[in-house]
Amino acid sequence: DGGITQSPKYLFRKEGQNVTLSCEQNLNHDAMYWYRQDPGQGLRLIYYSQIVNDFQKGDIAEGYSVSREKKESFPLTVTSAQKNPTAFYLCASQLARGETQYFGPGTRLLVL
Amino acid sequence: SQQGEEDPQALSIQEGENATMNCSYKTSINNLQWYRQNSGRGLVHLILIRSNEREKHSGRLRVTLDTSKKSSSLLITASRAADTASYFCATDAGGAQKLVFGQGTRLTINP
Repeated sequence: DGGITQSPKYLFRKEGQNVTLSCEQNLNHDAMYWYRQDPGQGLRLIYYSQIVNDFQKGDIAEGYSVSREKKESFPLTVTSAQKNPTAFYLCASQLARGETQYFGPGTRLLVL
Repeated sequence: SQQGEEDPQALSIQEGENATMNCSYKTSINNLQWYRQNSGRGLVHLILIRSNEREKHSGRLRVTLDTSKKSSSLLITASRAADTASYFCATDAGGAQKLVFGQGTRLTINP
């Protein structure tokens, strides 16, 4: 079964805590993306990676960090510096420029 | 940076009617894509239209692109209750390999 998986589905963060959201794909796509979606809003790009061991900041990278050590995996860490982390986080991958982006089911992050 | 803007923000119609959503953008693009999102779920790709194309069809969906007006429209014909969702346009404007999404249109189909 090909696709993108995200885990966990729900994540709770305590104040001052770093949390990591998982994103895995078996589509053999080079590019991967992390988006944040607030209620009733569109998607805003946090970070993206076009190739292993390389990634670029998106429009709202402050308070987030990523790594891309493997082609299949692109984990996102929400650090304690992100003061308003409550949101729906979506991961996507893309085979090449001009192709469709495929999305995972999302992780909802809530603050305790 | 927000490139695409959808209009209307919300649309409510009766089942069987046609639904039209519009997307405007600011800069030249390589392609424009439409996605659907059911509540609390990930996005599902609907149609990709390239800058040299004017119209594309997929089942009950029709997408048009007018690069001179920097706008696109998504038409859903013979709407069904299952079409209830948010619809987003996203543009690939060249440069970095990334899409810029609009705020979306929330479509409600009433039985």
